[in-house]
Amino acid sequence: DVKVTQSSRYLVKRTGEKVFLECVQDMDHENMFWYRQDPGLGLRLIYFSYDVKMKEKGDIPEGYSVSREKKERFSLILESASTNQTSMYLCASSSAGIAGGQETQYFGPGTRLLVL
Amino acid sequence: DQQVKQNSPSLSVQEGRISILNCDYTNSMFDYFLWYKKYPAEGPTFLISISSIKDKNEDGRFTVFLNKSAKHLSLHIVPSQPGDSAVYFCAAQTGTASKLTFGTGTRLQVTL
Repeated sequence: DVKVTQSSRYLVKRTGEKVFLECVQDMDHENMFWYRQDPGLGLRLIYFSYDVKMKEKGDIPEGYSVSREKKERFSLILESASTNQTSMYLCASSSAGIAGGQETQYFGPGTRLLVL
Repeated sequence: DQQVKQNSPSLSVQEGRISILNCDYTNSMFDYFLWYKKYPAEGPTFLISISSIKDKNEDGRFTVFLNKSAKHLSLHIVPSQPGDSAVYFCAAQTGTASKLTFGTGTRLQVTL
């Protein structure tokens, strides 16, 4: 059974704090993703990674960074949290599969972050 | 620029009837379209997908239709059940990239 876990379900942080969100997958997937979900905006891609130590910007990378030191773990870092980063954060992973093929992403349960 | 659009934020359907969720896209380079279902406080789960070379894919109560000329796809759920109440996201993928582009979601409520 596929599993993506996220380190916290709920977090409350203060403006200016450095925040770490951790994601671990046990499916040996090459690809990992970080999204945020906001009402009326759907899921927006922040960063993704195709391999260890590799990262690419998504659609809204500003104010975030990521780290992928091991294949199974992908961390999202808020360098200096701001109130507009209050959101639901979702991690996902997928297998690279065959070139040109569909890739199904598997999601973790999400971390609801509140920045005060 | 919203490449994948779900124009109906919510939909209410009676149990046993058909639910139709719609999705429009603008990028003709998309090769695959996926539907995800999301319950509150859970991550999205994959439901069904369709390749751009097909116009229909069916899996039990769920059928996805693709109209490439109109850049439109729809998810049909029949018969609808109370457990189908959730937010449904349409997503699209090109064959050359792993990332998905999501729509804004439609909240489906199936009433008794």
